[in-house]
Amino acid sequence: DQQVKQNSPSLSVQEGRISILNCDYTNSMFDYFLWYKKYPAEGPTFLISISSIKDKNEDGRFTVFLNKSAKHLSLHIVPSQPGDSAVYFCAAKNGGGGATNKLIFGTGTLLAVQP
Amino acid sequence: KAGVTQTPRYLIKTRGQQVTLSCSPISGHRSVSWYQQTPGQGLQFLFEYFSETQRNKGNFPGRFSGRQFSNSRSEMNVSTLELGDSALYLCASSLVSSMDTQYFGPGTRLTVL
Repeated sequence: DQQVKQNSPSLSVQEGRISILNCDYTNSMFDYFLWYKKYPAEGPTFLISISSIKDKNEDGRFTVFLNKSAKHLSLHIVPSQPGDSAVYFCAAKNGGGGATNKLIFGTGTLLAVQP
Repeated sequence: KAGVTQTPRYLIKTRGQQVTLSCSPISGHRSVSWYQQTPGQGLQFLFEYFSETQRNKGNFPGRFSGRQFSNSRSEMNVSTLELGDSALYLCASSLVSSMDTQYFGPGTRLTVL
């Protein structure tokens, strides 16, 4: 059972426009969400995160929105740049009161930013 | 500060063999987690080690095992390799808390023939 879903395997946007990547989850116990970016032949790189007590977190060109009632989060990149072309993974964590670094990842969305 | 390093970067094995992968975390990081990445499956959690103890485990068969040394370096072992074990194996390290950011290494690409 895929607890974190990224239903769009790929997304293509024009340079300078907004990129919106979506992620849905099923486990209501998840309380922390992260986005990672991955280039080929490299490990994932942390981008931005959000706690379940917030509905928005912003860091430069990157903003993550969380809608807990819909169990949905999205990553907005504005403006998109060709260097943003990569696979983006959504991940979730269940703090659950215990110490764990176990992340549940989605299957990723390949973003292509066209010059 | 040096990042997470993984050795070897590429490995080719045959079915039935065993393999050991190594991960050196960022200096000062005490938590090491392992993930398997296969096409269409995303990254799947294997296990996490903290202070030489396994703190959490994913849903993988017992052929997958790991350990962590006193210097926080970690190894992962897969015995009796199967074709389906071909994947990118990623290691991630973080400081201590479950809320600390995890930093990933470049991965080891394992191919089982």
